[in-house]
Amino acid sequence: GAVVSQHPSWVICKSGTSVKIECRSLDFQATTMFWYRQFPKQSLMLMATSNEGSKATYEQGVEKDKFLINHASLTLSTLTVTSAHPEDSSFYICSARDGRNGFFEQFFGPGTRLTVL
Amino acid sequence: AQSVTQLDSQVPVFEEAPVELRCNYSSSVSVYLFWYVQYPNQGLQLLLKYLSGSTLVKGINGFEAEFNKSQTSFHLRKPSVHISDTAEYFCAVSEANQAGTALIFGKGTTLSVSS
Repeated sequence: GAVVSQHPSWVICKSGTSVKIECRSLDFQATTMFWYRQFPKQSLMLMATSNEGSKATYEQGVEKDKFLINHASLTLSTLTVTSAHPEDSSFYICSARDGRNGFFEQFFGPGTRLTVL
Repeated sequence: AQSVTQLDSQVPVFEEAPVELRCNYSSSVSVYLFWYVQYPNQGLQLLLKYLSGSTLVKGINGFEAEFNKSQTSFHLRKPSVHISDTAEYFCAVSEANQAGTALIFGKGTTLSVSS
């Protein structure tokens, strides 16, 4: 099956700093990637849809200037949390859509745990 | 727009007992339906999916689900659970035949299997 990786898996940073999270599709090309946020013991909330070569589409209530998304290639999307604050601490999960089988199934990365002190 | 309701937030069961995790959805268009499992501090693993065809879908780890269009349900079942099935389970929906749409998730059901 298709594999999606995320890096880093854990990150701890000081308040006010920026953190970049990478999402890679390892064995397929992903024209679309999605970024989700998950609070403890809660569901995944879609933050934005990232299409290769174009601007990301953000969900209502998600600050595009705070959560910068770049999908520069068919295998890499990055999420940068700018000027992070403790309330940004969360589990961030990406998924990538594999269009090879005609259905466009999504495959999820293992997630990145962000802790802002 | 679609929405998903998982009717039970927590389901405690004993090992080797059967289990059903309930999921209802709402949509004005045709949908694809999914069940994912999440172990602590990990990403999501696809258990099974319904795209079209047979309404009874078999997945990994002995799980199956039945799509019921009239009741807009997609309940997940397993005839005999193991301790290792303890995890968070998410039901999700996406609009059928639309490649650009994201998954909409339910709030999740915590399955706790004890001996």
